[in-house]
Amino acid sequence: DAGVIQSPRHEVTEMGQEVTLRCKPISGHDYLFWYRQTMMRGLELLIYFNNNVPIDDSGMPEDRFSAKMPNASFSTLKIQPSEPRDSAVYFCASRVFEAGNTIYFGEGSWLTVV
Amino acid sequence: GENVEQHPSTLSVQEGDSAVIKCTYSDSASNYFPWYKQELGKGPQLIIDIRSNVGEKKDQRIAVTLNKTAKHFSLHITETQPEDSAVYFCAAFNDYKLSFGAGTTVTVRA
Repeated sequence: DAGVIQSPRHEVTEMGQEVTLRCKPISGHDYLFWYRQTMMRGLELLIYFNNNVPIDDSGMPEDRFSAKMPNASFSTLKIQPSEPRDSAVYFCASRVFEAGNTIYFGEGSWLTVV
Repeated sequence: GENVEQHPSTLSVQEGDSAVIKCTYSDSASNYFPWYKQELGKGPQLIIDIRSNVGEKKDQRIAVTLNKTAKHFSLHITETQPEDSAVYFCAAFNDYKLSFGAGTTVTVRA
């Protein structure tokens, strides 16, 4: 299995620009999670989907952040407009209910907003 | 929501010695406790997990223990090797979500 695939791996953008992060979960997985990792706050859950439907977005920091999952094999996390404090590593993760609670992470998207 | 505390934040051990990381959780409804290892520039990788109906689990040099009454769980690494150097995260699963500890940076000295 290819695992959870994220793109881009690294992105440097200017403040005010739109940023789109992409994720392909493991095939057959029915849960998808977006996490953000920073030195100050550690690993935070931003939002998760079940069967492509957003279930809990209480971790999304503000309206500048949005996430979609148009189908079972693709999700995006968008930041518009981006700010320097959004600089972090964004992880996508997925899980299949039948296999228990094991959650598998992608390699992350390293975002720097200057 | 669930609150997971992890100690210590950094741990330096001599190669061949043991390393122990401890975590506590707040929500008694949490029922699954994975441990992740994160190497520089990579995503967290599951190394071992334990479910709430089990008190201990071992996989080669790694073991986890769980005390549901006290709401704490621990990771034990024996015979540490340089490749064990990484950041380790504990987590608690509840309400379809994982809540993570702050992480422990483990350094194995050769």
